[in-house]
Amino acid sequence: DQQVKQNSPSLSVQEGRISILNCDYTNSMFDYFLWYKKYPAEGPTFLISISSIKDKNEDGRFTVFLNKSAKHLSLHIVPSQPGDSAVYFCAASAGGAGSARQLTFGSGTQLTVLP
Amino acid sequence: EPEVTQTPSHQVTQMGQEVILRCVPISNHLYFYWYRQILGQKVEFLVSFYNNEISEKSEIFDDQFSVERPDGSNFTLKIRSTKLEDSAMYFCASSEEYRYGYTFGSGTRLTVV
Repeated sequence: DQQVKQNSPSLSVQEGRISILNCDYTNSMFDYFLWYKKYPAEGPTFLISISSIKDKNEDGRFTVFLNKSAKHLSLHIVPSQPGDSAVYFCAASAGGAGSARQLTFGSGTQLTVLP
Repeated sequence: EPEVTQTPSHQVTQMGQEVILRCVPISNHLYFYWYRQILGQKVEFLVSFYNNEISEKSEIFDDQFSVERPDGSNFTLKIRSTKLEDSAMYFCASSEEYRYGYTFGSGTRLTVV
């Protein structure tokens, strides 16, 4: 039951260029979406999130776009830096405002930024 | 920057033994979670905890698993009788509120032999 899918297991990008990571979801109850970055032997690190009432959220070099009708979100990193090389996970949640929402994760995309 | 601390970083145990994985969440956070990642697979939700009780648990979180917040700072995951398939990376996470993201610990690698 893959409610959150990241169809590209890997992506290579030249330093300074844009990295675009994609994520699709099937559960229309999801109303909050997050991107995490993970290095080997570390826990996931929160990057950026977006609520379903928005279609874009920006934080420095990171921008997340949400297309609700297509059930698709993407993470743009501009400009990409070698330190961005990591596994990127898309995650989604549903539930009430005060609830302990569980995250449903995608399988991750390994981003490699080449110097 | 506040951190979620997990101990031990690596635990090896024999099948059938009990293990306790420990976590110290961020002090002002209200929601606590355990997730696991079997090698090569997705990060999977196990259980959430709020107001001193389990909020939600997944199908994985069967009677062999339990969680506790014994002293207001630690948050533990106990596996009563470990199986080979319990071998995974276990992550603790905490959050102040869902919109602020979840902070994950660096994980405990559990190896059941």
